Amino acid sequence: DAGVTQSPTHLIKTRGQHVTLRCSPISGHKSVSWYQQVLGQGPQFIFQYYEKEERGRGNFPDRFSARQFPNYSSELNVNALLLGDSALYLCASSLGSQPQHFGDGTRLSIL
Amino acid sequence: DQQVKQNSPSLSVQEGRISILNCDYTNSMFDYFLWYKKYPAEGPTFLISISSIKDKNEDGRFTVFLNKSAKHLSLHIVPSQPGDSAVYFCAASGKRGGTSYGKLTFGQGTILTVHP
Repeated sequence: DAGVTQSPTHLIKTRGQHVTLRCSPISGHKSVSWYQQVLGQGPQFIFQYYEKEERGRGNFPDRFSARQFPNYSSELNVNALLLGDSALYLCASSLGSQPQHFGDGTRLSIL
Repeated sequence: DQQVKQNSPSLSVQEGRISILNCDYTNSMFDYFLWYKKYPAEGPTFLISISSIKDKNEDGRFTVFLNKSAKHLSLHIVPSQPGDSAVYFCAASGKRGGTSYGKLTFGQGTILTVHP
């Protein structure tokens, strides 16, 4: 069975641009969460969606938004990119609330 | 405010010996704890978890211990193998209805190196 898949794997953007990251959960998983991981730190929670509804939001600015589609896939959108947004963005899915299973992430570089 | 802390940035052990990775937390609302392993260029892989109603959970070579009074958990790997070399993260989640329910709060990670 396929795990959590994320696209693209790598992305290079410039400051001020907008980016959309995509995630497909494990088949049957209805909960999708997004995390940001910067070098040397653990992942930081951004959003959680369950059955297309936002169930939680971390301490991130309004430039970050997300949505979940009827097939439970999800998109993370970031507007007005800053240099500090350079990070690994991880998507995780779960059957219930835990455990969450992660994809390999999208490496976002801002120039 | 770092609610989950892994105070050892790195750990080096010999193949066949025990690896002990430690984690401390401050939020008393956490009631479910997980360990993840991460290789470079891959996402975190779930290893083992423990609910706050238990003090020990075992899965093969991996055992997690929880000391609620000390707000401390540890992961024991016995025997350690070179393939266990990776970054290990502990993570915590809160009770249903609380603000930390459903989301994971991670420690900074510990780099484990197992030498042949």
